Amino acid sequence: TQLLEQSPQFLSIQEGENLTVYCNSSSVFSSLQWYRQEPGEGPVLLVTVVTGGEVKKLKRLTFQFGDARKDSSLHITAAQPGDTGLYLCAGDRMDSSYKLIFGSGTRLLVRP
Amino acid sequence: NAGVTQTPKFQVLKTGQSMTLQCAQDMNHEYMSWYRQDPGMGLRLIHYSVGAGITDQGEVPNGYNVSRSTTEDFPLRLLSAAPSQTSVYFCASTPGAYNEQFFGPGTRLTVL
Repeated sequence: TQLLEQSPQFLSIQEGENLTVYCNSSSVFSSLQWYRQEPGEGPVLLVTVVTGGEVKKLKRLTFQFGDARKDSSLHITAAQPGDTGLYLCAGDRMDSSYKLIFGSGTRLLVRP
Repeated sequence: NAGVTQTPKFQVLKTGQSMTLQCAQDMNHEYMSWYRQDPGMGLRLIHYSVGAGITDQGEVPNGYNVSRSTTEDFPLRLLSAAPSQTSVYFCASTPGAYNEQFFGPGTRLTVL
């Protein structure tokens, strides 16, 4: 059972465009993380959001945690080719002290 | 600091063979995990450990064994490899806060 649904699964855009990636669940999470993974490498943590409604910014990336702590979004402004990669969200379930649940990922391609 | 290291980078096995995937971390993290990554399925937890001498099963533990004799090392053993175990395997460690994962570079395993 996939508890975290990511959309879209694949996104191909032109450099300079904006985009939003969504991570949705029917479960409540105590925290939610976003990772970026490049080919042949392990995922790298971008951000952790822990409070319902929280917004965090990392340069051109904006992360939001839903008020009910069931969903999150990642917005990229003026995408650049260096943003290309696989974006993964991961939720820390409130009923399980250590088991992270990962979404299936959004593969982003930013064309020059 | 080297962070999380994994060996080997690539491995090809025949059905029925056994092998051990090595994982080590030098960050003194208590928690360590093994994940497998398959296309369209994100990362799935195989086994995890909350400290030396303590291990537990994740979402997909069948066919794999782990042990944790030291804080630094967390090897994953495939007892009798099957084609269904063809995947990319990632080891990760976390200091514990919000389960933020630090991933190794991965091992790409093919079972023929």
